[in-house]
Amino acid sequence: QQQVKQSPQSLIVQKGGISIINCAYENTAFDYFPWYQQFPGKGPALLIAIRPDVSEKKEGRFTISFNKSAKQFSLHIMDSQPGDSATYFCAASMRFTGKLIFGQGTTLQVKP
Amino acid sequence: SAVISQKPSRDICQRGTSLTIQCQVDSQVTMMFWYRQQPGQSLTLIATANQGSEATYESGFVIDKFPISRPNLTFSTLTVSNMSPEDSSIYLCSVVVGQGDFFGQGTRLTVV
Repeated sequence: QQQVKQSPQSLIVQKGGISIINCAYENTAFDYFPWYQQFPGKGPALLIAIRPDVSEKKEGRFTISFNKSAKQFSLHIMDSQPGDSATYFCAASMRFTGKLIFGQGTTLQVKP
Repeated sequence: SAVISQKPSRDICQRGTSLTIQCQVDSQVTMMFWYRQQPGQSLTLIATANQGSEATYESGFVIDKFPISRPNLTFSTLTVSNMSPEDSSIYLCSVVVGQGDFFGQGTRLTVV
């Protein structure tokens, strides 16, 4: 019940295309859903996060869509660029604990 | 956000030895965590570093193997004890600041 399932494991997108990564969770007590971007040799960097009281949040080219009833959320990267090539992790937590449960990660390659 | 400094950034250690990893934050934080990222894998929470009290460990992690100190609100250490090749991983500290969880650059540990 603590798992967060992420798909796909890897994704190849052409430059300018839309990258979509999906996550699903079981624990309805989760109330915070961040996305992280990680480049090789670096720590994860917080991209964008959402709480279950909203269905969508957009920051620049990055959008989170949240479906509370389906217990699913997704990251959309619009106008994908080669510089977006990285590993993306979704996560979930009960905010008062601060503990993050991570998805398995998605390796994104954006082809020029 | 927060600036998180980890030392060392990487190390190669002999099996049976111990390594202490330091995490310094540029501001006082209540919540500080240690995560492990095994090669090519996602992040797994090791423990919550509590200021002034013993750390709280997640299932599968024990204090004898991963002793943690948290002497104040800006600093913590994680020791990986009696290392084996299976401990080869990236170890990351994380803090909760405002509405986000932020990570250090990680310590890449190789045990030979």
